[in-house]
Amino acid sequence: ETGVTQTPRHLVMGMTNKKSLKCEQHLGHNAMYWYKQSAKKPLELMFVYSLEERVENNSVPSRFSPECPNSSHLFLHLHTLQPEDSALYLCASSQAPAGGAGTNEKLFFGSGTQLSVL
Amino acid sequence: GEDVEQSLFLSVREGDSSVINCTYTDSSSTYLYWYKQEPGAGLQLLTYIFSNMDMKQDQRLTVLLNKKDKHLSLRIADTQTGDSAIYFCAERGYGGSQGNLIFGKGTKLSVKP
Repeated sequence: ETGVTQTPRHLVMGMTNKKSLKCEQHLGHNAMYWYKQSAKKPLELMFVYSLEERVENNSVPSRFSPECPNSSHLFLHLHTLQPEDSALYLCASSQAPAGGAGTNEKLFFGSGTQLSVL
Repeated sequence: GEDVEQSLFLSVREGDSSVINCTYTDSSSTYLYWYKQEPGAGLQLLTYIFSNMDMKQDQRLTVLLNKKDKHLSLRIADTQTGDSAIYFCAERGYGGSQGNLIFGKGTKLSVKP
């Protein structure tokens, strides 16, 4: 166990559905992330929350909507997805170092939610 | 843009050494990481190296960094069947924002008994 829990583990949804992915970390970290892992592509960073504020959104389509109500919980709300959005969605957390850019950053990942969009 | 390249597959026999290679393009990289992903699981940090080092050893794992050639390798000594997984190389550039590690596509290591 990495201390980062994601639910559900698997999700199948139609293009008109609305669903949410949940992530919870028990490590006392102050930063949380959503990554997308697609077959044969590098891991893509989607969203970054630090101290519960969104600090980065890497040009992700608006059909993905993140929410971070507190430093331990992170959600990804999904609506009107496309089949090409089918992927493994990974949540991660870290203790953001005080040094800023270029500092050591150890990410702790959850097991992911395998999403299939029909 | 920044890029991290790895070969996609490696197959070794149990007990042999495995060497997984990675090249990267960002010359400002400060930290480089190796993550392991077992089937049905997320990524697990194995080890990391700071860019002013050229070698780091941690039990069966040895990381070698050639900063001039922008080449990173992970050697696993006495490879076991439990080492079968996908191994990701990642780099943290000085200009990179928080959490924005650049990952390779991963090398799938298969260990045959």
